[in-house]
Amino acid sequence: QQQVKQSPQSLIVQKGGIPIINCAYENTAFDYFPWYQQFPGKGPALLIAIRPDVSEKKEGRFTISFNKSAKQFSLHIMDSQPGDSATYFCAASLEYGNKLVFGAGTILRVKS
Amino acid sequence: DTEVTQTPKHLVMGMTNKKSLKCEQHMGHRAMYWYKQKAKKPPELMFVYSYEKLSINESVPSRFSPECPNSSLLNLHLHALQPEDSALYLCASSQAIDRGAYEQYFGPGTRLTVT
Repeated sequence: QQQVKQSPQSLIVQKGGIPIINCAYENTAFDYFPWYQQFPGKGPALLIAIRPDVSEKKEGRFTISFNKSAKQFSLHIMDSQPGDSATYFCAASLEYGNKLVFGAGTILRVKS
Repeated sequence: DTEVTQTPKHLVMGMTNKKSLKCEQHMGHRAMYWYKQKAKKPPELMFVYSYEKLSINESVPSRFSPECPNSSLLNLHLHALQPEDSALYLCASSQAIDRGAYEQYFGPGTRLTVT
């Protein structure tokens, strides 16, 4: 119940493509769903986040879609660029966000 | 400014050494966190401090000893580590938990190698 399942494990797209990363959860007590981007040798950077009362959120080229009934959420990267090549982690939080449960991560490569 | 700084960037230590990792933030956050991240894995929560008090210890071995001297600083004291403790150690901070501590901001990490 504490898990967040993330797929795919890795993803290769051409420049300009729209990679989609999916996450699913079981615990309906989760109330905050952030996405983090991590480059090699760096710490995770908060990319975008959503709460369950919203079905979609856009920030620049990044969009989260949230399906509360299905307990799924996904990250879409519009017009992907080689600089977007990184590992992406979805996460979910309990108890006012002091415990983040991370998905396993998706390694994205955008080919130029 | 959403910067969390960590020192050192890299650390190599023997199994009998004592060393410390340092984390600092000046965002006025009152919750601070230590995570451990192995290669190709997500971060794993180790400790949470809220208002300078330890609120969560995720059953971390006692060879890891956290300390929060003030609201801006977080230390992780290391002693008698094992080679399997080699990892990237990440610090994070957020608003106080009682204010809805949703956004956690991570530092760049300390790459620790135990020989």
